[in-house]
Amino acid sequence: DQQVKQNSPSLSVQEGRISILNCDYTNSMFDYFLWYKKYPAEGPTFLISISSIKDKNEDGRFTVFLNKSAKHLSLHIVPSQPGDSAVYFCAAPMDTGNQFYFGTGTSLTVIP
Amino acid sequence: DAGVTQSPTHLIKTRGQHVTLRCSPISGHKSVSWYQQVLGQGPQFIFQYYEKEERGRGNFPDRFSARQFPNYSSELNVNALLLGDSALYLCASSLGRGGLWETQYFGPGTRLLVL
Repeated sequence: DQQVKQNSPSLSVQEGRISILNCDYTNSMFDYFLWYKKYPAEGPTFLISISSIKDKNEDGRFTVFLNKSAKHLSLHIVPSQPGDSAVYFCAAPMDTGNQFYFGTGTSLTVIP
Repeated sequence: DAGVTQSPTHLIKTRGQHVTLRCSPISGHKSVSWYQQVLGQGPQFIFQYYEKEERGRGNFPDRFSARQFPNYSSELNVNALLLGDSALYLCASSLGRGGLWETQYFGPGTRLLVL
């Protein structure tokens, strides 16, 4: 059963425009969420997180929004740059320890 | 500083064989986790180890096992390989202080192909 879902496998955006990546979850008990970025031949790298007590967290060009009633979060990248082209995963913690459910990923392509 | 390292980078095995994958965490990190990423899917949690003890296990068969050594490096073993075990195996390390989640630092992975 997929606890964290990313329904858009790919997204293409022009350089300088906004990229919006979406993620849905099923477990209302999740208390924080993370976004990871993955380049080919590299492991995922942590990008940004958000606690369930917040509805927004911003870090430079990256902002994550959380809508708990809709069980939905989104990652906004403004402005998008070609170096942002990567696969983005959202993740949420399991009940025990430092273990996570990951979504299936969205491949972002930023076109120069 | 060296990041998480994994070996080998690529591996080809045949069905029924056994495989051992290795991971060295970032210096000072005491927790190691293993994930399997099948093509087109997100990483799926397999094991977490902290101070040589298993802290968690995902929904994987007993053919999968792991251990952590005194230097905090780790091995993932898979017996009786199946075609479906073909995947990218990711290792992640973290400080292991406990409490709220910690940033996981991932290695580049081992690409396993089972023929």
